[in-house]
Amino acid sequence: QAVVTQEPSLTVSPGGTVTLTCGSSTGDVTSGHYPYWFQQKPGQAPRTLIYDTSNKHSWTPARFSGSLLGGKAALTLSGAQPEDEAEYYCLLSYSGALWVFGGGTKLTVL
Amino acid sequence: QLQLQESGSGLVKPSQTLSLTCAVSGGSISSGGYSWSWIRQPPGKGLEWIGYISHSGNTYYNPSLKSRVTISVDRSKNQFSLKLTSVTAADTAVYYCARRDGVRGTLNWGQGTLVTVSS
Repeated sequence: QAVVTQEPSLTVSPGGTVTLTCGSSTGDVTSGHYPYWFQQKPGQAPRTLIYDTSNKHSWTPARFSGSLLGGKAALTLSGAQPEDEAEYYCLLSYSGALWVFGGGTKLTVL
Repeated sequence: QLQLQESGSGLVKPSQTLSLTCAVSGGSISSGGYSWSWIRQPPGKGLEWIGYISHSGNTYYNPSLKSRVTISVDRSKNQFSLKLTSVTAADTAVYYCARRDGVRGTLNWGQGTLVTVSS
């Protein structure tokens, strides 16, 4: 079964920029994996930030963006806010029949 | 506005069957183009995809759970369900239901429900 990898933890300064990545053990991540990005704060359900690589939900702040970067899916946060401190998960689809989550990235805004 | 609400037994004994239901409001489960998923999260750990059922009724399961999982739809009640057999303590988790729009790609989550496996 495919393994999806994320940075375990990252730190960003308030107002700074950080990029989280999502890689696949099977090779390059492409738009065909329909990459998703979710934000989860303690005690809350995850909420979808990005779907299909770069599309935003209506509630997704403009400072978040998704892309493909160096064979991985990427989530870039530009102008970090204290409220962005959370766990971030990516999700990849493998031929539509198998979905695999990454292990999550704990983002600290400090 | 779409709402997904999980319900079911919060405490299940080892070796028994975990059963959960996700009630759909603000939309019809019979509408085309959507798939209906279950996802879980053990306490303090990451998310795990359990499986989903497509609009056409096809089911897709996590290979590690496939032998124990069944996802089904009840169109008359506008809800879908999860059954997980032969549970152990490792199945203790918050269980989430979700809807994916196969056309737009959006994915909406329920609030989750904690299921504890213990005697």
